[in-house]
Amino acid sequence: AQSVSQHNHHVILSEAASLELGCNYSYGGTVNLFWYVQYPGQHLQLLLKYFSGDPLVKGIKGFEAEFIKSKFSFNLRKPSVQWSDTAEYFCASNQGGKLIFGQGTELSVKP
Amino acid sequence: EAQVTQNPRYLITVTGKKLTVTCSQNMNHEYMSWYRQDPGLGLRQIYYSMNVEVTDKGDVPEGYKVSRKEKRNFPLILESPSPNQTSLYFCASSFISGSLYEQYFGPGTRLTVT
Repeated sequence: AQSVSQHNHHVILSEAASLELGCNYSYGGTVNLFWYVQYPGQHLQLLLKYFSGDPLVKGIKGFEAEFIKSKFSFNLRKPSVQWSDTAEYFCASNQGGKLIFGQGTELSVKP
Repeated sequence: EAQVTQNPRYLITVTGKKLTVTCSQNMNHEYMSWYRQDPGLGLRQIYYSMNVEVTDKGDVPEGYKVSRKEKRNFPLILESPSPNQTSLYFCASSFISGSLYEQYFGPGTRLTVT
């Protein structure tokens, strides 16, 4: 079955630490990949997306992600997190017309 | 302002009492979808619609109904709610072509079934 896996359920970092959240998808065809962020009590917002071309994608708020086709991965990175990055992060893949979400990773950033 | 709206935002109801959660978008999107969000499970798709009068089951459709009579509206109907449908529900919409399912989400509806 098509799936998206996020390796970390809860990540705790101090401000200025670097962030990498893992995401793997299982689908052999053409995929479109997304990272969404959900701040406490709010709806999901798109951070960045990959459709084709440069595998290194830059999004809003200093986030970036790298698509590695051979590893079926689309990891999210940020060089220096801030307290305001505390949120839940969801990786998603558009597979055959359906948007499949990972389980989510809760990020807590300590001031 | 481009947006997806949902009503109500919060709802507490009792088992078996039919309810409808409305969803409306003003972006002329063809695609609309309903998800439920549960801790540790992420978002799971309930139903989706590719256009007016075209709907299809997602991953967890049991206990839910939808309709798409107009392009802008996509209500979610629970004919006989049960406690296991207590969840946070999100409606989303997108164009089908071009941005290829970059979905815009509504604010969410927190449903509690007692």
